[in-house]
Amino acid sequence: QVHLVQSGAEVKKPGSSVKVSCKASEGTFSNYGISWVRQAPRQGLEWMGGIIPAFGRTNYAQSFQGRVTMTADESTSTVYMELSSLRSEDTAVYFCARVETSAILEVPGQHNYFDPWGQGTLVTVSS
Amino acid sequence: EIVLTQSPGTLSLSPGERATLSCRASESVSRGYLAWYQQKPGQAPRLLIYGTSSRATGIPDRFSGSGSGTDFTLTISRLEPEDFAVYYCQQYGSSFTFGPGTKVDIK
Repeated sequence: QVHLVQSGAEVKKPGSSVKVSCKASEGTFSNYGISWVRQAPRQGLEWMGGIIPAFGRTNYAQSFQGRVTMTADESTSTVYMELSSLRSEDTAVYFCARVETSAILEVPGQHNYFDPWGQGTLVTVSS
Repeated sequence: EIVLTQSPGTLSLSPGERATLSCRASESVSRGYLAWYQQKPGQAPRLLIYGTSSRATGIPDRFSGSGSGTDFTLTISRLEPEDFAVYYCQQYGSSFTFGPGTKVDIK
């Protein structure tokens, strides 16, 4: 089973950008998509969007449109999530998770759940 | 956007007791595409249940899911010490939204 390993914690200034990586340590992303979910301190889970690495096809949540960019490097089995114009409210743990490609294509399906998840990356936005 | 609410916010129980967690959707969840996740402090969520009632690989049978339409339930038949955690429901029938979570703590 694929195991997702994320990059380390980041501290950023307001107005800057952060780029978080998610690498498949066993296997590849073939035939799957990757979604990103964030969790603000003591808060719940918020879906940000996802990407199908094989095609570069993305689907972003409306609340992040214009600020988030997801890319993939199939040669290294790594997906990236870049969030720009950071503000203090973006302080959160960011998770990647594997999903079916149908989830990214907005085709409902019984297996469009998120499994497995990366370990999470803490992004702190502070002046 | 489908909004999910979970109740109770906190459930205080003893090991061996039965836990019943509720998840209610603001509109019907398409085809019962609802999942449950468990999250422990400092860890990522772990998939427990998908499609309302199907257990994920390796999940013990003390975890069960049920429901339809707008009302769903996660039941833990007999709480083990490792089950004390926060539980989230998620609907994936129309985009993706999560509930606010139910914390199951030790009484």
